[in-house]
Amino acid sequence: GQQVMQIPQYQHVQEGEDFTTYCNSSTTLSNIQWYKQRPGGHPVFLIQLVKSGEVKKQKRLTFQFGEAKKNSSLHITATQTTDVGTYFCAALNTSGTYKYIFGTGTRLKVLA
Amino acid sequence: NAGVTQTPKFQVLKTGQSMTLQCAQDMNHEYMSWYRQDPGMGLRLIHYSVGAGITDQGEVPNGYNVSRSTTEDFPLRLLSAAPSQTSVYFCASRPGLANEQYFGPGTRLTVT
Repeated sequence: GQQVMQIPQYQHVQEGEDFTTYCNSSTTLSNIQWYKQRPGGHPVFLIQLVKSGEVKKQKRLTFQFGEAKKNSSLHITATQTTDVGTYFCAALNTSGTYKYIFGTGTRLKVLA
Repeated sequence: NAGVTQTPKFQVLKTGQSMTLQCAQDMNHEYMSWYRQDPGMGLRLIHYSVGAGITDQGEVPNGYNVSRSTTEDFPLRLLSAAPSQTSVYFCASRPGLANEQYFGPGTRLTVT
């Protein structure tokens, strides 16, 4: 079945450093979503990308969708302690069902 | 709006017991899903529904049943609990096929 691979699994950064997580699929994706989950919390929607090559920004967060719509990235500039959490990508299954497949997530730890 | 609510927040079961995890949403969303989250495994889809009376299996459906008699409610039933079902369970809803998902606060289940 469709799989979405996410790397890295963990990332520790010093406060102020940049951070990037990548999401890759072997098949073309119709869209991709990004979620953030704070420790002990539930996933919260950040953004959705639909178009090939699309780039969206939310303050210090930059989201990209690859030209072939098989990969995506989330980049955080100048991390802050409030960025701590796990970041997930989620892709809509394209085999005629209505399922979102989640990546395994990247756990970000920011050291003050 | 309360959004997506889940009960109970915590539950301990003995092997072989059955129980129902409750999920309700007050946003009139057609799509609802159940996920389980295990360390290092991300979010895995158990069952989902695209409307009242319609359900389908996700990636890991064995040992679980669902029903969707109303738009608002989507309960998850554990038929005979096993230690492998120890996990955090999240219910999510969304208004349409390619929309953002709204997650409930989760149920932490331990099976001994």
